[in-house]
Amino acid sequence: DGGITQSPKYLFRKEGQNVTLSCEQNLNHDAMYWYRQDPGQGLRLIYYSQIVNDFQKGDIAEGYSVSREKKESFPLTVTSAQKNPTAFYLCASSRTTSGRYNEQFFGPGTRLTVL
Amino acid sequence: QQQVKQSPQSLIVQKGGISIINCAYENTAFDYFPWYQQFPGKGPALLIAIRPDVSEKKEGRFTISFNKSAKQFSLHIMDSQPGDSATYFCAAGGTGFQKLVFGTGTRLLVSP
Repeated sequence: DGGITQSPKYLFRKEGQNVTLSCEQNLNHDAMYWYRQDPGQGLRLIYYSQIVNDFQKGDIAEGYSVSREKKESFPLTVTSAQKNPTAFYLCASSRTTSGRYNEQFFGPGTRLTVL
Repeated sequence: QQQVKQSPQSLIVQKGGISIINCAYENTAFDYFPWYQQFPGKGPALLIAIRPDVSEKKEGRFTISFNKSAKQFSLHIMDSQPGDSATYFCAAGGTGFQKLVFGTGTRLLVSP
């Protein structure tokens, strides 16, 4: 089955720790995205990547970092600099970032809780 | 100019009724308008999308109406069912845009 997988489903972090959220897609999409969703809130873009080895900051990039070494993978690290990281994190991908094919497909999400 | 304004924030509809969610945008360069459906604890799923060359698109009980001159588009859910209870997001993007701009979401509850 083609799709996007995220792991883990639940993640607990102690204050001061860095944690990495995994996102993998087998849709052969060039573009990948990370969003943060707080309870009852919309989707806020953290980072996105149009192509391997390239990525851009979204609206709320502070305290987060990403890498894009492989087309299929776009891991997100939540660093200790992110002061309020408790949220639901969503990864998405699309064929491209622009044009008529930026239809985004979402993964199942990772719920991160700071202890 | 990049914002998409969505209303209402929440909506309660009786089973069998029509649910209507509205979105408005400013940037006339947008040419792709999808709607996503999200159940609690799950990722959003693409429900239906429209491009500005048509004024309406229907898929089953779900219809997008698009008014280019007013820069508005709306989602209509006919014969709403309890299983439609979810959060709905509109979005805008397309040619020349590197990302989708999402509305803030509408939480729909369909009462039995």
